[in-house]
Amino acid sequence: DTEVTQTPKHLVMGMTNKKSLKCEQHMGHRAMYWYKQKAKKPPELMFVYSYEKLSINESVPSRFSPECPNSSLLNLHLHALQPEDSALYLCASSRFGTQGRGETQYFGPGTRLLVL
Amino acid sequence: QQQVKQSPQSLIVQKGGISIINCAYENTAFDYFPWYQQFPGKGPALLIAIRPDVSEKKEGRFTISFNKSAKQFSLHIMDSQPGDSATYFCAAWGNTGKLIFGQGTTLQVKP
Repeated sequence: DTEVTQTPKHLVMGMTNKKSLKCEQHMGHRAMYWYKQKAKKPPELMFVYSYEKLSINESVPSRFSPECPNSSLLNLHLHALQPEDSALYLCASSRFGTQGRGETQYFGPGTRLLVL
Repeated sequence: QQQVKQSPQSLIVQKGGISIINCAYENTAFDYFPWYQQFPGKGPALLIAIRPDVSEKKEGRFTISFNKSAKQFSLHIMDSQPGDSATYFCAAWGNTGKLIFGQGTTLQVKP
């Protein structure tokens, strides 16, 4: 089973709202990722958690706040977003942490976010 | 040095034809090269991947060819089908802990 699940599938929020995106994997993977993807563009890395510790933050604005409560769960807390933050938000996981040899990242289906 | 350059940006192929997408990289520290397939509104799905100690890998109709000296790799889709119409991303994993994506190729297979 190589499934990464994400909820919700769609989210519409105003610029003053607070919402959260959730990602879950039960593959025992120790690295989890948040990506942002705009239409017709490749995924852009936002955050990486390796062994439940934040290991990479790609200079993401503080209105995005990641959280890794345990090795299976990854949240992305959203606050005071801008319309340009509208995008597909993807979660991914990989078996080992981010050091060492490269390996497959498995992506979830994404959350389509619209900021009004 | 962290870039992966992908071409063409878009590709139209007749059903039954061969689709070829090319990628090039500079960083010799890259050691893992996956290809992802993405349908509209869905997350990228791993199609096939290769490490630089192998020159070719085949899985069904999909083949990766890898040229380490030229720092290039390509995806060949044999007997292309309308269901293969999607966006394809090549990627490379290096020593930064990040997966570096190419810009993507939109493939349309005409019936």
